[in-house]
Amino acid sequence: EIVMTQSPATLSVSPGERATLSCRASQSVSSNLAWYQQKPGQAPRLLIYGASTRATGIPARFSGSGSGTEFTLTISSLQSEDFAVYYCQQYNNWPLMYTFGQGTKLEIK
Amino acid sequence: QLQLQESGPGLVKPSETLSLTCTVSGGSISSSSYYWGWIRQPPGKGLEWIGSIYYSGSTYYNPSLKSRVTISVDTSKNQFSLKLSSVTAADTAVYYCARACRGYDILTGYYIREFDYWGQGTLVTVSS
Repeated sequence: EIVMTQSPATLSVSPGERATLSCRASQSVSSNLAWYQQKPGQAPRLLIYGASTRATGIPARFSGSGSGTEFTLTISSLQSEDFAVYYCQQYNNWPLMYTFGQGTKLEIK
Repeated sequence: QLQLQESGPGLVKPSETLSLTCTVSGGSISSSSYYWGWIRQPPGKGLEWIGSIYYSGSTYYNPSLKSRVTISVDTSKNQFSLKLSSVTAADTAVYYCARACRGYDILTGYYIREFDYWGQGTLVTVSS
């Protein structure tokens, strides 16, 4: 099983500043990685797929980078609505198993 | 606009079978471009992929749950369903249904990609 490790567990950032979230895979997942945002009481929302492609309707301040085992989600200028929990997910096609990271909580500083 | 809606009992007794249905509206479950899946989230914890299905009936399960999980599809009703047997308190969670895009790799063939549409989720509690 591919283990996804996100860091930090909690990130405190002020509105308007940049946030950088990390996700590491225990083995290469190529670019088969997605990022999701989840707010309390809501379902996750797809932000990024293919490691760096924004999903439909996602603002340009969200960007993803990385390949292999190291990935980053960057939010360039935090808005109040961006404070949430963020999950990475690998969907590498072999072995057939899809795993999520444990999440990073982005909170207001 | 595609919508997914989970339905089923919110309370299941230990050792019994959890059964949920996801109804898809605003799109066809028989599209060749997508898989359909179940993901769960225990209270206060992270996300766990349970399994996925293609409209043809091909299924893919989380190895850790495979012995207890059955996912099926009813294209005539535009629905797919989850059955999880022999439940315990550890199966208490919010259960989400979701649509996943279908990818293709020249070496290994088709595979399940990201989940782009999700249902709102339904809390299932396992308790006597």
